[in-house]
Amino acid sequence: QSALTQPRSVSGSPGQSVTISCTGASSNVGGYDYVSWYQKHPGKAPKLMIRDVSERPSGVPDRFSGSKSGNTASLTISGLQAEDEADYYCCSYAGTYTLVFGGGTKLTVL
Amino acid sequence: EVHLVESGGGLVQPGGSLRLSCAASGFTFSSLGMAWVRQVPGQGLEWISSISIGPSPTYYADSVKGRFTISRDNVKNSLYLQMNRLRDEDTAVYYCARFAVVGWVIDYWGQGTLVTVSS
Repeated sequence: QSALTQPRSVSGSPGQSVTISCTGASSNVGGYDYVSWYQKHPGKAPKLMIRDVSERPSGVPDRFSGSKSGNTASLTISGLQAEDEADYYCCSYAGTYTLVFGGGTKLTVL
Repeated sequence: EVHLVESGGGLVQPGGSLRLSCAASGFTFSSLGMAWVRQVPGQGLEWISSISIGPSPTYYADSVKGRFTISRDNVKNSLYLQMNRLRDEDTAVYYCARFAVVGWVIDYWGQGTLVTVSS
């Protein structure tokens, strides 16, 4: 049950795009199309931003997009806005009712 | 509207026990799998346990297997986490979370309850 690997931090200026990677294994990210991404502000509950690799739940801006290639999933945020500054976590299905999370990436909007 | 409200957190000594509860509303609780996820201060999210729609089966991370027990009461719309033999490293905010109707994804979270293990 090793955590998925994410960069500790990324940054970008308003209006720019950033991509956060999430590397796992064939037993999780590479084996299933059940990768999700969560936005988390300090002291708040995580918010689902992307599910099933690339689907946006209702209400999530289309600036957020997801993809996957092999054992690595990615979250891209385009047209960065100040309110996007937060921690982002990837999560993958790893077997019946079992999940594994990434270590989290701190996004700084410069 | 979906609501998940955790309770039961607090300060406990190493080796002690604590029982967390999660009151669910706004959806058909008995129809969905549920989970507990924790966040150690300054660290990332960690899935620790899940339960299917019935009392079993249940699933645990290696870090809590044999010490924690997840359960649910579909009449009271409540999820529980019995934590025994607590360690310093169990200090964390514990989140109650629900699996989506379709697919293997958590779509709603509670606000969390803080558990502090310290002498």
